[in-house]
Amino acid sequence: DTEVTQTPKHLVMGMTNKKSLKCEQHMGHRAMYWYKQKAKKPPELMFVYSYEKLSINESVPSRFSPECPNSSLLNLHLHALQPEDSALYLCASSQDIPPRTRGYTFGSGTRLTVV
Amino acid sequence: AQKVTQAQTEISVVEKEDVTLDCVYETRDTTYYLFWYKQPPSGELVFLIRRNSFDEQNEISGRYSWNFQKSTSSFNFTITASQVVDSAVYFCALEAGAQKLVFGQGTRLTINP
Repeated sequence: DTEVTQTPKHLVMGMTNKKSLKCEQHMGHRAMYWYKQKAKKPPELMFVYSYEKLSINESVPSRFSPECPNSSLLNLHLHALQPEDSALYLCASSQDIPPRTRGYTFGSGTRLTVV
Repeated sequence: AQKVTQAQTEISVVEKEDVTLDCVYETRDTTYYLFWYKQPPSGELVFLIRRNSFDEQNEISGRYSWNFQKSTSSFNFTITASQVVDSAVYFCALEAGAQKLVFGQGTRLTINP
């Protein structure tokens, strides 16, 4: 079983819908991440939270809104998405400081389709 | 700027063959970390190895081995006696400075029975 749990695994939403992606980890990691991966492309960083504070926003459009309610949870709120936002959304966590012995732990992702 | 190049887009071999996946990186930082991840069709990125820039020792883990050469900025990955279960997309990644992984384009490895 993966140590980073993402729900839902699949999501289909219309362009006027509001939905949320959820990510949970119980490894005591204090840094959490959202990555976006388009088909046949590498993952690209969207957001980083360190100690529950947003530390990196890679110029992501405001229709994506991250939230970190506590050290174990990370949400990504979606609103007014476009079909080109269809992708695999990956959550990851890591120890906040080096050495990051195990690197980053990724979840299985949420496959999002915007119709 | 950080950059990772995986020149091999796709590799296809017959089971039991050895296969090497190439990775070349660019960074101006003196302290950095290199990673390899495996991504099966299920989508999850599976951590394989992490190397820091001060540790040039090669590593072997079962059928997997990694060759890190700072002189050529390369961090290549070899699978010995490949198996069908090794079929996946493999990503090389670089972290330098901020908590940001920069991935190569990935190599799709197909092991045919």
